[in-house]
Amino acid sequence: SQQGEEDPQALSIQEGENATMNCSYKTSINNLQWYRQNSGRGLVHLILIRSNEREKHSGRLRVTLDTSKKSSSLLITASRAADTASYFCATDPFYGNNRLAFGKGNQVVVIP
Amino acid sequence: EPEVTQTPSHQVTQMGQEVILRCVPISNHLYFYWYRQILGQKVEFLVSFYNNEISEKSEIFDDQFSVERPDGSNFTLKIRSTKLEDSAMYFCASSGTAGELFFGEGSRLTVL
Repeated sequence: SQQGEEDPQALSIQEGENATMNCSYKTSINNLQWYRQNSGRGLVHLILIRSNEREKHSGRLRVTLDTSKKSSSLLITASRAADTASYFCATDPFYGNNRLAFGKGNQVVVIP
Repeated sequence: EPEVTQTPSHQVTQMGQEVILRCVPISNHLYFYWYRQILGQKVEFLVSFYNNEISEKSEIFDDQFSVERPDGSNFTLKIRSTKLEDSAMYFCASSGTAGELFFGEGSRLTVL
């Protein structure tokens, strides 16, 4: 899982399988966001979940948020080779200035 | 689809030289940001900018750094006297009011 002091996780799966990655954080948040980064490229916003939401879906993505445990998970269903990337969670602090705090990322490799 | 554009994509400079990284945010966005990512490390917040002034900055953003929006479209990051440790990928981002950030592809800065 991602957290300020943990090493990034690596996940290798077969195409068609589901990929789940976790993120934990320490402070109160306004929202939590997930981003994807292909190697050497910019960050692409995937999904935003607000602190009063517990679950959100977007296409093949499902995000959960447990504010009592200060954790979130990202599920990618029916993975494709094009999903190979690093996935970062980022927390927007409670005062909501969009000063995002990023985790170290989860590297996902989808094998065709 | 509107996007954030950054130039240059890669800049190599000598220690002590001044560097200006340029960004064109998405045209109707009001909030602008600079983040950086040192190779193999987390994405780190540098500064946010709103209504023609800095709204927040991190401890990384010291007196050697400055930002400017010289006209209605560009948003620049200046490093006055570069150090070896400034070598990183610098990402510009912009947002409207929805909370999600749109990132550029980044400018890789190499300080020799």
